[in-house]
Amino acid sequence: DVKVTQSSRYLVKRTGEKVFLECVQDMDHENMFWYRQDPGLGLRLIYFSYDVKMKEKGDIPEGYSVSREKKERFSLILESASTNQTSMYLCASSLGTGEISYEQYFGPGTRLTVT
Amino acid sequence: QQQVKQSPQSLIVQKGGISIINCAYENTAFDYFPWYQQFPGKGPALLIAIRPDVSEKKEGRFTISFNKSAKQFSLHIMDSQPGDSATYFCAASMEQGRVDKIIFGKGTRLHILP
Repeated sequence: DVKVTQSSRYLVKRTGEKVFLECVQDMDHENMFWYRQDPGLGLRLIYFSYDVKMKEKGDIPEGYSVSREKKERFSLILESASTNQTSMYLCASSLGTGEISYEQYFGPGTRLTVT
Repeated sequence: QQQVKQSPQSLIVQKGGISIINCAYENTAFDYFPWYQQFPGKGPALLIAIRPDVSEKKEGRFTISFNKSAKQFSLHIMDSQPGDSATYFCAASMEQGRVDKIIFGKGTRLHILP
């Protein structure tokens, strides 16, 4: 079974702090994604990566950056946390090219509260 | 054009009844339509998916109906059970560059009454 793990289930940070959210997948997937989930807004894509050191902006990248130094690890960085970044953050991975590449496997999420 | 519109936002169904969630899209370039199921405290997980060349797909009690001309698709849950209580997301996907991007609907919170 594919396993996507996220470093923290719950996190509380202060406004202005630098925040790192870590995600690791164990299935040698090419693609990795970061979403945020807010009530009534569904899942919105922040950033994604299709290869080591490669990254692309999603639909809401402002205020975030990412890092992918190893294939299995994808980090989301909040350079200066703000209260409007309080949310559930979900990491996902997918195989890559081909018929079955569309399925994304999600981690359990990190609930971040910025005070 | 990139949106996927999902309704209703919430749904309450009696045990044994049929749960129906509807979705609509605009972009005809979408070529894969998955449904994800999310239980509290968990990440979403793929439930069932369909390609636009098929009008219906059934897996157990879950059926996707797809109407390509109307650009609509729906999830039917037959004989709904309390264990089906979860949030359901419809989605649409297409390859963009080297990645398969998924656009999610806003979700439907389903509650099955025991």
